[in-house]
Amino acid sequence: QKEVEQNSGPLSVPEGAIASLNCTYSDRGSQSFFWYRQYSGKSPELIMSIYSNGDKEDGRFTAQLNKASQYVSLLIRDSQPSDSATYLCAVTTGFQKLVFGTGTRLLVSP
Amino acid sequence: KAGVTQTPRYLIKTRGQQVTLSCSPISGHRSVSWYQQTPGQGLQFLFEYFSETQRNKGNFPGRFSGRQFSNSRSEMNVSTLELGDSALYLCASTPLGLGEETQYFGPGTRLLVL
Repeated sequence: QKEVEQNSGPLSVPEGAIASLNCTYSDRGSQSFFWYRQYSGKSPELIMSIYSNGDKEDGRFTAQLNKASQYVSLLIRDSQPSDSATYLCAVTTGFQKLVFGTGTRLLVSP
Repeated sequence: KAGVTQTPRYLIKTRGQQVTLSCSPISGHRSVSWYQQTPGQGLQFLFEYFSETQRNKGNFPGRFSGRQFSNSRSEMNVSTLELGDSALYLCASTPLGLGEETQYFGPGTRLLVL
């Protein structure tokens, strides 16, 4: 079993719709959870971090964490074509060891 | 503040050669982590350095090594290059290397091994 699992996609949504990205992790001791966005040929950039159960909102983005179910999600409201990218879920295990999922490719069509 | 910088940005080597990549963290950041990204394996953790000490290491062969200098700049070295080492190598920095800190990534070094 992979430590962090994501559906590779692509996830296709029309402009203005809500995109829902999901991630599960295997290490119950994980404490810190991150969503990164990566455009083709670029390095990952942080979208959201979340550390406690529940929802965390930042603009059009909402991260949801459920530690009991070992599940993290990212909702993108009012999706824009510029949101088209690969979204990486990452979990911290131990000292600064970020374990990444393989990423979900999101395509937002105009 | 300036972001994380990595040099060189692109590199072409042949099998059997060795390569050294450099990373300068954000000013004031003392922890540097290195990652390898390939289409097949995704982003994988190589190692993390804090105050010139390696604190954590991923599951890579001994051909991959690194070090950190007193000014927090870090280098990684790959010896006896193999075709499978072709990848994007990313470094990331944080202030203290705590698990809850956001890691800020540099632009990466794209290595092609022929």
